[in-house]
Amino acid sequence: GAVVSQHPSRVICKSGTSVKIECRSLDFQATTMFWYRQFPKQSLMLMATSNEGSKATYEQGVEKDKFLINHASLTLSTLTVTSAHPEDSSFYICSASGARGGDTQYFGPGTRLTVL
Amino acid sequence: GDSVTQMEGPVTLSEEAFLTINCTYTATGYPSLFWYVQYPGEGLQLLLKATKADDKGSNKGFEATYRKETTSFHLEKGSVQVSDSAVYFCALSARGGSEKLVFGKGTKLTVNP
Repeated sequence: GAVVSQHPSRVICKSGTSVKIECRSLDFQATTMFWYRQFPKQSLMLMATSNEGSKATYEQGVEKDKFLINHASLTLSTLTVTSAHPEDSSFYICSASGARGGDTQYFGPGTRLTVL
Repeated sequence: GDSVTQMEGPVTLSEEAFLTINCTYTATGYPSLFWYVQYPGEGLQLLLKATKADDKGSNKGFEATYRKETTSFHLEKGSVQVSDSAVYFCALSARGGSEKLVFGKGTKLTVNP
């Protein structure tokens, strides 16, 4: 099946710094990528949807200036958490869908962010 | 808005036991319904799906039937294995699996030998 990778798998940073998380579709072209956030013992909450070459569409309540999403190519999307604070600590998961994937989203393994 | 409610876990079963994980949904229109599985240390994988009422999705011995009258999509397996230990997520999409997904909270299943 289609493979989606995320990097890094885990990151610890100091409060006030910015962190970039990469999401790559390894063997297919992802026309659409999704970014989710998962709190402990909670469901995945969609943060934003990005289509290659266009601005991301953010869900209500998600600060677009804080969570910068770039989908510059058909195989790469990045999520940058700017001026991170401890409350941004969470598990961030991306998924991708494209022509090869058809009607299916393929998920990355997630990135654990801890802000001290 | 759309929402998914699935049974609270964790669920612990012995090998070869019968599994049911309940899932109900609230949505306008006719959503597509999914079960995703997350094995330890891995990303979510699509387990099965159904796109219209009365459809039955099945994979790896798991089944779920899209019941519009009860707005449910319960996951079942007749005989679980230790390798089925994972977290299971019920989800819906208003317009198909390549569109945004709304997830339930997930149910952790542990199968003991």
